[in-house]
Amino acid sequence: DVKVTQSSRYLVKRTGEKVFLECVQDMDHENMFWYRQDPGLGLRLIYFSYDVKMKEKGDIPEGYSVSREKKERFSLILESASTNQTSMYLCASSPPHSGDGYTFGSGTRLTVV
Amino acid sequence: RKEVEQDPGPFNVPEGATVAFNCTYSNSASQSFFWYRQDCRKEPKLLMSVYSSGNEDGRFTAQLNRASQYISLLIRDSKLSDSATYLCVVMYSGTYKYIFGTGTRLKVLA
Repeated sequence: DVKVTQSSRYLVKRTGEKVFLECVQDMDHENMFWYRQDPGLGLRLIYFSYDVKMKEKGDIPEGYSVSREKKERFSLILESASTNQTSMYLCASSPPHSGDGYTFGSGTRLTVV
Repeated sequence: RKEVEQDPGPFNVPEGATVAFNCTYSNSASQSFFWYRQDCRKEPKLLMSVYSSGNEDGRFTAQLNRASQYISLLIRDSKLSDSATYLCVVMYSGTYKYIFGTGTRLKVLA
């Protein structure tokens, strides 16, 4: 089975801190995604990548950046954390033909205080 | 109008009941369709893909109506363990991105 691992399950950071969320997948998937999930808003795409060193903005990229230096790792960076970035962050990966479905990591619940 | 719309529920049903959820999508270029299940405080997991001809997996049946732009999920003989949020997912042709509905919450009651 594909495994997508997110480095932290729970994280508490202070406003203004630079925050790194790490995601690693072990099935050689080309596509990787970062979503945030908020009550009533569902999952919203922040950034995605379909190859090493490639990245595309999703629907809500403001305040975030990403890095994909290796195929298996996709990092989400909050340049200067703010309280409105308190959320559940979900990483996902998929093979090239996304018709096969995404596999999600278990999520990181980030609280910015 | 949201790209993918679902009734948020909750749908409260007794064990053994049959329950159906619909999901509408706005973009006719949508190509792939899925239902995901998400338990409380857990990640979404793929429940089933939705094929044009409809498909069944045990107690679960998914159907697609392209003319009316909706997909449906039918759960027969509901179990307590079916309690979860069911997410409708649409992928547009030529993209890698999924568009998620906000989910329909199901509670199966003993």
